[in-house]
Amino acid sequence: GEDVEQSLFLSVREGDSSVINCTYTDSSSTYLYWYKQEPGAGLQLLTYIFSNMDMKQDQRLTVLLNKKDKHLSLRIADTQTGDSAIYFCAESLSEKYIFGTGTRLKVLA
Amino acid sequence: DAMVIQNPRYQVTQFGKPVTLSCSQTLNHNVMYWYQQKSSQAPKLLFHYYDKDFNNEADTPDNFQSRRPNTSFCFLDIRSPGLGDAAMYLCATSRARVNSYEQYFGPGTRLTVT
Repeated sequence: GEDVEQSLFLSVREGDSSVINCTYTDSSSTYLYWYKQEPGAGLQLLTYIFSNMDMKQDQRLTVLLNKKDKHLSLRIADTQTGDSAIYFCAESLSEKYIFGTGTRLKVLA
Repeated sequence: DAMVIQNPRYQVTQFGKPVTLSCSQTLNHNVMYWYQQKSSQAPKLLFHYYDKDFNNEADTPDNFQSRRPNTSFCFLDIRSPGLGDAAMYLCATSRARVNSYEQYFGPGTRLTVT
């Protein structure tokens, strides 16, 4: 089956790190992505990782990929209130994505 | 600079009255997508154009149609909207390359059916 799963909610305090997890099923996926969606808006591409990489860092964002376990994570360092949003992971083999179920991140001041 | 533009941002239509949502892009991407998203769920792909080739998802109702008259524009037509079609409709584009298919999303059109 093609299910990409994420936990539904995550709550962190401002200044702490957030870790959002994603489990995917298709080991043939070539790229994996993280998107952010704020209320009433479209999806914003945050970062992506090629399947032959283990880690990618981009400013406050760190992506870890464990291909053996088909596990992807997004770590946000020094989480701010502006990071409150829904985060979707996605995998692709071609021009089509399979989206995860989304994780709602709430940042407490 | 707007890259993927959707008009209108909010659309209200009556039950059964045809409605068209539009999407335009300034990125010159060859792939355009239409997604339906309900209430904090993941976006659901309805169909996409790869260049001029139309690709419909197997579970997309016949009520939903699409047109892509040129590279920059793509339309979503809902022939007879039902109450269950109320949702956010997202347009996205990508430039299909050998390995990478980053998709860029518009702000969405929220459709209300009365």
